[in-house]
Amino acid sequence: RKEVEQDPGPFNVPEGATVAFNCTYSNSASQSFFWYRQDCRKEPKLLMSVYSSGNEDGRFTAQLNRASQYISLLIRDSKLSDSATYLCVVNGGGSYIPTFGRGTSLIVHP
Amino acid sequence: DGGITQSPKYLFRKEGQNVTLSCEQNLNHDAMYWYRQDPGQGLRLIYYSQIVNDFQKGDIAEGYSVSREKKESFPLTVTSAQKNPTAFYLCATVGERYEQYFGPGTRLTVT
Repeated sequence: RKEVEQDPGPFNVPEGATVAFNCTYSNSASQSFFWYRQDCRKEPKLLMSVYSSGNEDGRFTAQLNRASQYISLLIRDSKLSDSATYLCVVNGGGSYIPTFGRGTSLIVHP
Repeated sequence: DGGITQSPKYLFRKEGQNVTLSCEQNLNHDAMYWYRQDPGQGLRLIYYSQIVNDFQKGDIAEGYSVSREKKESFPLTVTSAQKNPTAFYLCATVGERYEQYFGPGTRLTVT
């Protein structure tokens, strides 16, 4: 039973496109949600936290739907440099042990 | 400059040898973690430590050992008992909002 699920992709989009990823989680007690970006052969880096009210950081918007137990990441005006793997991470109720999704691969082409 | 350092970046070993991967942090975070990542796979938790002199097994602890004698340091030893040690090893800490911070990783190749 996978606790955090992501579509592995790849999502292949042209520059300037808008693309959205979803991530579903199974633990209803989860309280902390994050999106990370991982470039090829590099460590994951925190992209943004996901708050209940939704939050935006430039071209990136993250949303949480507790009722349906998923989080989403929307990227507007895609750049070539956005090409990477995007990891969804969920922490359950006070636990220090995060659960990682396997990641969604994004390829932005000219 | 606060952060997490891992050394070496690349490590090559012969089968049957133990090897120790270094992880140091100056973020003053209590909790530290070791993960393993295989090509095309997600991160799998090997060991974690929430406080000095205490650590817990993760999902794939067999063939690995750790120590936590200092808050800043959490070295991982890959023993000869680990059947498939070739992988990308990542060390991480956790911040106040449970967000994780990763070191640059060590890529271990065992032949």
